[in-house]
Amino acid sequence: DSGVTQTPKHLITATGQRVTLRCSPRSGDLSVYWYQQSLDQGLQFLIQYYNGEERAKGNILERFSAQQFPDLHSELNLSSLELGDSALYFCASSGTGHMDTEAFFGQGTRLTVV
Amino acid sequence: GENVEQHPSTLSVQEGDSAVIKCTYSDSASNYFPWYKQELGKRPQLIIDIRSNVGEKKDQRIAVTLNKTAKHFSLHITETQPEDSAVYFCAAGSGAGSYQLTFGKGTKLSVIP
Repeated sequence: DSGVTQTPKHLITATGQRVTLRCSPRSGDLSVYWYQQSLDQGLQFLIQYYNGEERAKGNILERFSAQQFPDLHSELNLSSLELGDSALYFCASSGTGHMDTEAFFGQGTRLTVV
Repeated sequence: GENVEQHPSTLSVQEGDSAVIKCTYSDSASNYFPWYKQELGKRPQLIIDIRSNVGEKKDQRIAVTLNKTAKHFSLHITETQPEDSAVYFCAAGSGAGSYQLTFGKGTKLSVIP
């Protein structure tokens, strides 16, 4: 157990819908990272938050948004879902705002859009 | 931005042989290079990492080498065992303040008993 909790584990939804994925980082970790993993794209960095503020943005679509709350948990919101959004979404956390400390991954949320 | 290329995409070795996975990166400012192992259906887990001020690091059967001039780094697994079968990801990270890891597309390693 990495200490990073993601909910739900599985999510099936229809095209056009909106979903929210949740991540609770390890106790004390200030940084949260979101990644998307699909079969043909590997692990794609989406966005990073540090202590409530957006720190870095990667290949995140405009239909997607995220936030980190005062208790440091984070949510990834995916809207106007398309079939191609089906993927495994991972959250990772680390202790500081710098990734040169080990990042711990959650078990992921498998999103299936039908 | 950073681009990380990883080769090969699949690798099969006989149990007991060595396995080598290579990555190249594009951003000369990158200074942190971790390797993650992902077993089927599980989360990626860090197995070893190296920073730019070190050329080689070893942990039991696993070693990583870094060549900053050539911008490439490699993972070496010796005396492979069936439980080494997994997908391995390399990554490169850089920056102070705003920091992100860019991952390679992964190498599926199969160790044949």
